[in-house]
Amino acid sequence: NAGVMQNPRHLVRRRGQEARLRCSPVKGHSHVYWYRQLPEEGLKFMVYLQKENIIDESGMPKERFSAEFPKEGPSILRIQQVVRGDSAAYFCASSRGGRDTEAFFGQGTRLTVV
Amino acid sequence: TQLLEQSPQFLSIQEGENLTVYCNSSSVFSSLQWYRQEPGEGPVLLVTVVTGGEVKKLKRLTFQFGDARKDSSLHITAAQPGDTGLYLCAGPQTGANNLFFGTGTRLTVIP
Repeated sequence: NAGVMQNPRHLVRRRGQEARLRCSPVKGHSHVYWYRQLPEEGLKFMVYLQKENIIDESGMPKERFSAEFPKEGPSILRIQQVVRGDSAAYFCASSRGGRDTEAFFGQGTRLTVV
Repeated sequence: TQLLEQSPQFLSIQEGENLTVYCNSSSVFSSLQWYRQEPGEGPVLLVTVVTGGEVKKLKRLTFQFGDARKDSSLHITAAQPGDTGLYLCAGPQTGANNLFFGTGTRLTVIP
């Protein structure tokens, strides 16, 4: 009964490179959320997806960031042309959706841009 | 815009003391969840409160949802060093399933 799996746990990228963060939700969960957390701060919502659909991307920067949750496979958060300010912990959560909003989190991916 | 404010922002106490942290909003939430996050880890769901006035207990932790469903509190009895962490409240945004998180209370329990 695996929980939310995120990989990699740590990712180092040089400025200008692309970062791809993966999230496999809890089995049976069709809703995925991505959050960003800066050191010593709370969680900031980025994007909410259901299978093959983006429901709410109001927290995601308009440029360089994109997210997908294909019919098969994990959800991907993609950051193009990374800058130092993108360094943060990125957390994925999943839920069954509908009236059930209980979300379970992965252990996060810590992105460092050098 | 719904806003969840948590207080205090930081709390440092001695082992064995009791404490209460608060989560307040001007908006009504259909439910509120409490999470604890330890350094380097993802948030772990502690409890969900749904009904106004509801009280839930989890060993030494007592969670309460306000009658008007605009606020919640977490009381810890006889705090232990293992309780150290960031405590976050969260609730679904109006008309959406997305969870909105509070600002967090960072608790340190000193042995």
